[in-house]
Amino acid sequence: DAMVIQNPRYQVTQFGKPVTLSCSQTLNHNVMYWYQQKSSQAPKLLFHYYDKDFNNEADTPDNFQSRRPNTSFCFLDIRSPGLGDAAMYLCATSRGGNTQYFGPGTRLTVL
Amino acid sequence: DQQVKQNSPSLSVQEGRISILNCDYTNSMFDYFLWYKKYPAEGPTFLISISSIKDKNEDGRFTVFLNKSAKHLSLHIVPSQPGDSAVYFCAASKRGAQKLVFGQGTRLTINP
Repeated sequence: DAMVIQNPRYQVTQFGKPVTLSCSQTLNHNVMYWYQQKSSQAPKLLFHYYDKDFNNEADTPDNFQSRRPNTSFCFLDIRSPGLGDAAMYLCATSRGGNTQYFGPGTRLTVL
Repeated sequence: DQQVKQNSPSLSVQEGRISILNCDYTNSMFDYFLWYKKYPAEGPTFLISISSIKDKNEDGRFTVFLNKSAKHLSLHIVPSQPGDSAVYFCAASKRGAQKLVFGQGTRLTINP
């Protein structure tokens, strides 16, 4: 089945220790997104790639970076995680249209 | 400025009855609307969508209604089942935009 895969599902890191979350997709979609979601709030878009073009949201902290080495993979790097960065991180893809398909998410804990 | 609003944080419905979840939007440029369902510790799952050229879209037990003049959409689930208990997010986008604007979500609980 075509899908969006996120690894790991649960990630524990220490305050200030860099962490990388990964996302892969078999849908061959050209757009990939990273969201942060806290509690049951609305997902907050951090940035997205349209093909290789990177689009950062204006209020995304510099602490968050992303890489997309190819169509299938996208990474979220948190350079110096703070306690406030503990959240669920969601990856999504779309075919350049409106409907986005989400992965299962990575729950990040910062100690 | 919250462009998509779900004013009911929670809703409780008896199994077998109709669940109606509501969503309002303020941006008249939005022309595509979606509903997502989210279980705890999982990512949102796409449920159903509607384009602004329609006022109704149906998929099995799920029907979405769009009232453009009122800038309001609703999701009807009939009949409601225990597995429908989840948080439901509505989302909106503009034609050609790659981004969705999400509402705050409504937690639906189906009681046996």
